[in-house]
Parts: sequence; structure tokens; C-alpha cells
Amino acid sequence: AQKITQTQPGMFVQEKEAVTLDCTYDTSDQSYGLFWYKQPSSGEMIFLIYQGSYDEQNATEGRYSLNFQKARKSANLVISASQLGDSAMYFCAMREGRGSSNTGKLIFGQGTTLQVKP
Amino acid sequence: DSGVTQTPKHLITATGQRVTLRCSPRSGDLSVYWYQQSLDQGLQFLIQYYNGEERAKGNILERFSAQQFPDLHSELNLSSLELGDSALYFCASSVPTGGLSSYNEQFFGPGTRLTVL
Repeated sequence: AQKITQTQPGMFVQEKEAVTLDCTYDTSDQSYGLFWYKQPSSGEMIFLIYQGSYDEQNATEGRYSLNFQKARKSANLVISASQLGDSAMYFCAMREGRGSSNTGKLIFGQGTTLQVKP
Repeated sequence: DSGVTQTPKHLITATGQRVTLRCSPRSGDLSVYWYQQSLDQGLQFLIQYYNGEERAKGNILERFSAQQFPDLHSELNLSSLELGDSALYFCASSVPTGGLSSYNEQFFGPGTRLTVL
């Protein structure tokens, strides 16, 4: 069964430093997508970055990058130059399937709370 | 602003009652997803509609039901409410599924926070 595991319930990072949030996944499907979302205290879910299982290069979006290690089934989020506004809950999510089998539903991990210290 | 709207933002009700949560997807998005976020269960997929038809079902209770209307807005109906139904309910929308890529970013609405007293 598909599963997402985030083993870090909470993390601290100093402002301007980089931080890595861990995510491992389990799936028997060859085609899948991995997502990271940010949820600030206000509650909304903000899409950050996407990595497809067939993408050869690690995804990057501004200060966010995804360290994708397919053999290890890990998809860690790296935030460079942390800012105070990065303090939030971060969720890793996976969607399985391709084409007609792809319903699009996301399976989420339990989340990691990141606090950026000034 | 994701372009997905949800009403109401907050809802406080009593056990045994019935409520309806409403979602309007982004313009042009045919798929609507409902998720529940609670302290106990985390973020869980409930149900998906695609162009008016149910497409996938997750851990949705029998007391809960949903539908998607011809104008593509969706409603999630929760009945015989229990204390444990208190949660943040998200609606998300995306471009049509079933494409060649597994990439379909889901745009989340601001959520409806339901409190059952």
C-alpha cells in the first residue's frame, strides 16, 4: 500500500541557514508524483514543489529543492537561506498512477513543523 | 490566492446535526477533491469528483456524502455529527486527470474549520 513517512515531527533552523525535511515513501507503482506543501498557521495549503518518478533531475523552485533518491524511495525537501516566514508545517504527499488509472488523490505524510529562529 | 473558494470559513454546530460545506473550484478545473485534516488522522483524502461524477473514494464515512453540480461546484454533506468530526475540511481542484503525466498540481482552498460541540 502507498505510504508517506515523515519522521521529523519538529525541526528548528537558524535564519539564513539551509534545512532538510525528510520524506520517504512506499509504492509498488512505477509511475508516481511527489509533492511538498506548506501549511502556515493560517491554515491554507500552499504548493511548493513537484517531482515526477521519471524525472531525471531533482526539482527546484526558487529556494526549494527536492533531493530525490529513487532507489532509497526518499524525496527530501531542502530549503536554502531560511526566512522567518518559512516557519510552518510542511507536508510531503504522493500521487500514484498515470493515465486512466490516475485518480489524482494525494496521500499525505504526518507533516513536519519547522521553526525558523532569528 | 489559489482560486479555489470554500464557504463557510468556520462552522460551529452541535452533535447530531447536519452541515453542508461548499467548494467552488478554479475556473476550468474539472476535478474536485475533499480532504479532512484532524489531529488524530492527519490529512486524509475523502472523495473525488470529476466533471460531475464520483471518481475515487477514500476514508469517507457513510454519514458523509458529496456531489458535484453541473456548474462544477461541489458540496460535502456531513450528517449525524460527532465530536470526532471536528476538523479542517479542504477542497482542492486540478486540471483534468488521466493525462500523460502524473503531474497535476492540486490547488487547495482555504478550508472550512468545523467544530462540533
